[in-house]
Parts: sequence; structure tokens; C-alpha cells
Amino acid sequence: KAGVTQTPRYLIKTRGQQVTLSCSPISGHRSVSWYQQTPGQGLQFLFEYFSETQRNKGNFPGRFSGRQFSNSRSEMNVSTLELGDSALYLCASGAEGNTGELFFGEGSRLTVL
Amino acid sequence: DQQVKQNSPSLSVQEGRISILNCDYTNSMFDYFLWYKKYPAEGPTFLISISSIKDKNEDGRFTVFLNKSAKHLSLHIVPSQPGDSAVYFCADIQSNNTDKLIFGTGTRLQVFP
Repeated sequence: KAGVTQTPRYLIKTRGQQVTLSCSPISGHRSVSWYQQTPGQGLQFLFEYFSETQRNKGNFPGRFSGRQFSNSRSEMNVSTLELGDSALYLCASGAEGNTGELFFGEGSRLTVL
Repeated sequence: DQQVKQNSPSLSVQEGRISILNCDYTNSMFDYFLWYKKYPAEGPTFLISISSIKDKNEDGRFTVFLNKSAKHLSLHIVPSQPGDSAVYFCADIQSNNTDKLIFGTGTRLQVFP
């Protein structure tokens, strides 16, 4: 069974640009969550999707958005990039959608110059 | 606000000895906690969980203890092995109908020979 796949693994952008990150959950999982990891803030919750519906949203500005498709694949978008958006973005999928027992991908490392 | 705190950023333990990682929480909504382990360049991996109906949960070398009155949980690893060297995060699940996790800032465990 394939794990959670995130693309791209690494990317470099400049301030003001936008970026789209992709996540393919484990087959059969309907819950997909996104987290931002930075050295100073740890793992911060961004969004949670379940069956194409955003079920929860973290305390991030509107520049951060996401969506989930009918095949459970998810994307997140960050517009008007700022230097502080440099981080590891982690996607996680869950089987039941209510246990917190998540399977994480390896993450997408975003560097904003 | 729901918060999870890991006050020790790092811990160094000799191989074969016990590692104890601590976590404090405030305003838990659902009293269900999880521990994740993270190696560099990888996503976090679910380790063990505990619900409020228990004060202890054991899985092999890993045991988690929950003290609800003190709002404190701890992860014991016995015996510690060099392969346990990683960052450990405790997490609180927000409610019974979500996978949204509130993570602590992590404790870096180093197990030396």
C-alpha cells in the first residue's frame, strides 16, 4: 500500500509569487490535513478536508487556501508569498477521520527568497 | 485556547536506560492524546495514543501515562535504543469528529551508546 505522496519535495520561490502543493493520500483514506512546520513554531495546523469538504481551518491568513478532489487528493495554495512562508508543508491522511492517527507524507520544503 | 506544551526541547539518554518525555496540556476538548516521532527529512510517524478512560497505555517498549488532574502526560521508552533518537511530539485531538491535532513544540531525544 503506497504511503502519502507529496509533490514537489523541494521548491524555491520569490516573494510575491504563488505556489501550489499537491498531496495524494493513502488509498481509501478520506481525511486529508495540512500542517506547516517551522523551527520556531513547530507543527501548525492549516486545514482539514473530509470527503471534499473543509472541516477545519487553522489560524492562517487568507493567502493560504486548499481543496480536496473527489478522489481524495488535495492541493494547497499560497498566494503572494512572504519570506515567513518558508517552511516544511506536511500533508497527512487518516482512515477514519476522527482518531488523530494520521499518516504523514515526507513534506514539501518551500523556500521563499 | 487549547494548548499543548513540551517544556524540554531536548533530552539525552544512555542506551538501555529509560527515556521520559513530558507534555502538559490546557483546555483539552476531548481528552485524547497522541505521540508522534519524527526523523529528519521524514514526516511524523504515529507512535501511541491514550484516551481519558485510561491512565496508561502500553505498546512494546513504549508506554504513555495520563494524569488528568495534573493535565499531564508522559511517554516512557524502555529500554532506549539509538534508533529512538528523533524528535517526539505530543498532540491533542480537538474533538470527536475530526483529525485536527494540536501539537506540542517537540522534544529532541538523543540516545547515545
